Amino acid sequence: AQKVTQAQTEISVVEKEDVTLDCVYETRDTTYYLFWYKQPPSGELVFLIRRNSFDEQNEISGRYSWNFQKSTSSFNFTITASQVVDSAVYFCALRGYNQGGKLIFGQGTELSVKP
Amino acid sequence: EPEVTQTPSHQVTQMGQEVILRCVPISNHLYFYWYRQILGQKVEFLVSFYNNEISEKSEIFDDQFSVERPDGSNFTLKIRSTKLEDSAMYFCASRGGSDTQYFGPGTRLTVL
Repeated sequence: AQKVTQAQTEISVVEKEDVTLDCVYETRDTTYYLFWYKQPPSGELVFLIRRNSFDEQNEISGRYSWNFQKSTSSFNFTITASQVVDSAVYFCALRGYNQGGKLIFGQGTELSVKP
Repeated sequence: EPEVTQTPSHQVTQMGQEVILRCVPISNHLYFYWYRQILGQKVEFLVSFYNNEISEKSEIFDDQFSVERPDGSNFTLKIRSTKLEDSAMYFCASRGGSDTQYFGPGTRLTVL
């Protein structure tokens, strides 16, 4: 079975702090894909990043960085120098290697960045 | 930049009524999906659709649900007889040659 766990339900930080959102996944597929989506208060789901299981390179995009470690089945997301606009619910998701390509989402982490 | 659109943004209906939620996926995409999110909970997969047929569906997607691609642009989700527990945000998503699903803004369905 496939599963995504985001153990942190809510995180609150003060602006300019760094924050890491944890994601642990389970799958038996050898080929799979991991994603992060952002859901701001307006409700839409915004794609942030995709990683496939063969690419363990960490990635940095501006203030965002992602740490993918197959050995611990984790795909963590760090926001550096957080801003109020980063306040949102962040979802980690897993897609196995199948025709349908459904996404399995974690429970989400609600990040609140206070000024 | 192409995006997935959904209508209506909010639908209120009485229990037992039929509703149709509409989506226009990104034009060159081939894979289409419906997900739902009950308030405050995680996003759950309902159904995937490819080559004019359902490729996978979840346990939630029972006989009360159906999907259709009636023309070259729309992708619809029909709930035949709504229940109170169908109240949720429904998201449509589409995927092209890459492995990324792009989501629409959602339709908030309220069943009274």
